[in-house]
Amino acid sequence: GQNIDQPTEMTATEGAIVQINCTYQTSGFNGLFWYQQHAGEAPTFLSYNVLDGLEEKGRFSSFLSRSKGYSYLLLKELQMKDSASYLCAVGVSGGYQKVTFGTGTKLQVIP
Amino acid sequence: EAGVTQFPSHSVIEKGQTVTLRCDPISGHDNLYWYRRVMGKEIKFLLHFVKESKQDESGMPNNRFLAERTGGTYSTLKVQPAELEDSGVYFCASSPGASGSDTQYFGPGTRLTVL
Repeated sequence: GQNIDQPTEMTATEGAIVQINCTYQTSGFNGLFWYQQHAGEAPTFLSYNVLDGLEEKGRFSSFLSRSKGYSYLLLKELQMKDSASYLCAVGVSGGYQKVTFGTGTKLQVIP
Repeated sequence: EAGVTQFPSHSVIEKGQTVTLRCDPISGHDNLYWYRRVMGKEIKFLLHFVKESKQDESGMPNNRFLAERTGGTYSTLKVQPAELEDSGVYFCASSPGASGSDTQYFGPGTRLTVL
């Protein structure tokens, strides 16, 4: 099975940088996803890492270390609209992409 | 391009009743997934269709849940009879192919409340 851990809640200040960590234990690892989910809305794809290293997309970056079973999502220049839940999800190989989600980190951005 | 749509957005039913949820994936996406999020818990996989075939239904809770995807387009998820523990948000997602980097696009979810 899969086990995914991420902090339940975080608070950060507008304009600052925040790092949301995710650790996982899984067999057949095939990549790690980060999704953003605003309350009452659909999860929205942010990033996908399959190789070790940092992937940067504008204000958001995602890092993966496969050997350590560790990933983080880095949000820079925080804006109030970044307040949302951030879901770490692991893709498992099996002929198709089966995705297992963590419980999510609820980020609150304060002025 | 239209995204994944789900109907209804909310459903409130009584224990023992039947409810059918519908998902329309992004046009041309062969893969369709159903997930469920029970309050306070993580989003959990229910099942996966490739076109009209069930690829994996290992996450279906029990035989009160029936999913279909006739014609390989939209899908329905029927709960019959509904129980209190079935309450939660049911998400549908679709993806174009089956490669390892295939991103799943989620619908807005159906919030089901069983009283």
